[in-house]
Amino acid sequence: SAVISQKPSRDICQRGTSLTIQCQVDSQVTMMFWYRQQPGQSLTLIATANQGSEATYESGFVIDKFPISRPNLTFSTLTVSNMSPEDSSIYLCSVDSGNDHSYNEQFFGPGTRLTVL
Amino acid sequence: RKEVEQDPGPFNVPEGATVAFNCTYSNSASQSFFWYRQDCRKEPKLLMSVYSSGNEDGRFTAQLNRASQYISLLIRDSKLSDSATYLCVVKNYGQNFVFGPGTRLSVLP
Repeated sequence: SAVISQKPSRDICQRGTSLTIQCQVDSQVTMMFWYRQQPGQSLTLIATANQGSEATYESGFVIDKFPISRPNLTFSTLTVSNMSPEDSSIYLCSVDSGNDHSYNEQFFGPGTRLTVL
Repeated sequence: RKEVEQDPGPFNVPEGATVAFNCTYSNSASQSFFWYRQDCRKEPKLLMSVYSSGNEDGRFTAQLNRASQYISLLIRDSKLSDSATYLCVVKNYGQNFVFGPGTRLSVLP
């Protein structure tokens, strides 16, 4: 299993500002994932971050709004830029178990609860 | 149509009841299937994988019907601690996980 920590655990931000969320894993992993979970909703994948390459964004998410860094195999950051109240959500970092088969388990960080005023 | 759909819920059941959750998926190429559990204000955690032959883990039984693109989760003798949101998750080989909207379960004393 993987142990994942995120910082900050929560924040309240003003409209138009940016917030960077950090994700730290206790082991080296190839891929890290960033999800968003809006109130009362399920998880939506924002992007996949591989070390040493540009992140791959899902439909509806763009790099200018959600820039991602992946400087090494245990760490990633997600920035929520130019925030609006619609960005209020829980942001979750995730990794998979790393075995190369289809039944990989995904492990999640505790999430960052963001409120934009 | 969403790629993964679930019973809308919420389900409110008494302790000891048997409860079944249903899930359908639209991509016939999907290869891996899971049930995750998410407690209130917590991150999702794997409950069980779902295999073609069906599988059981204690009070929990998962079934997969590939022809109908349908997955189920049965909880027997439900406990108060089973109260959570249950997420149906589907994955295509080499691709990302797709989460269903979740079904909330409340087990009442």
